[in-house]
Amino acid sequence: AQSVTQLGSHVSVSEGALVLLRCNYSSSVPPYLFWYVQYPNQGLQLLLKYTSAATLVKGINGFEAEFKKSETSFHLTKPSAHMSDAAEYFCAVFSGGYNKLIFGAGTRLAVHP
Amino acid sequence: DTEVTQTPKHLVMGMTNKKSLKCEQHMGHRAMYWYKQKAKKPPELMFVYSYEKLSINESVPSRFSPECPNSSLLNLHLHALQPEDSALYLCASSQSAGTGEKLFFGSGTQLSVL
Repeated sequence: AQSVTQLGSHVSVSEGALVLLRCNYSSSVPPYLFWYVQYPNQGLQLLLKYTSAATLVKGINGFEAEFKKSETSFHLTKPSAHMSDAAEYFCAVFSGGYNKLIFGAGTRLAVHP
Repeated sequence: DTEVTQTPKHLVMGMTNKKSLKCEQHMGHRAMYWYKQKAKKPPELMFVYSYEKLSINESVPSRFSPECPNSSLLNLHLHALQPEDSALYLCASSQSAGTGEKLFFGSGTQLSVL
């Protein structure tokens, strides 16, 4: 069965610094991978999606993620953090066998001045 | 219109009450979902409707009863809930229920059961 593991439940960066949020997946078949963001008291918004068309996926708000099969990773990055990036970030994998989206535990990103 | 609209935004109910959560989308999506999210936890799938038919029920207790009256609407009927059912209930939709589809989420209903 497919699953994702997010390393680090909390990440804190300075404004302008690199953002790196880690996600590793477990899948016996080529996975569909997603990153979602959740702002306080809001639903989830899709940042980007990996579909095997390209290993480097660009998303909204300056975020991108690189699919590395050899490392079974799909880490999310942003070159320069903004205060508005503070939110909860979820990595997710589509479990084809169960036809459902499975979320990682989430990483809370804090951005300080 | 790229929104999934959920009402109400907040709901407080007693354990003997009957209430309903409503979700609406006008993107022409044919799959709709209910997720439950406890504080500081990821969303957990409850139900999936595909072409207005229930296709997945994740062993949800019968006190939660979903309904899909048409392709744009999804309801979740609540009856005799327990305090541990307090959570954020999220509705989502996608083009279809196929593998790899992007889900669009509503802002959720924050439910408190007293």
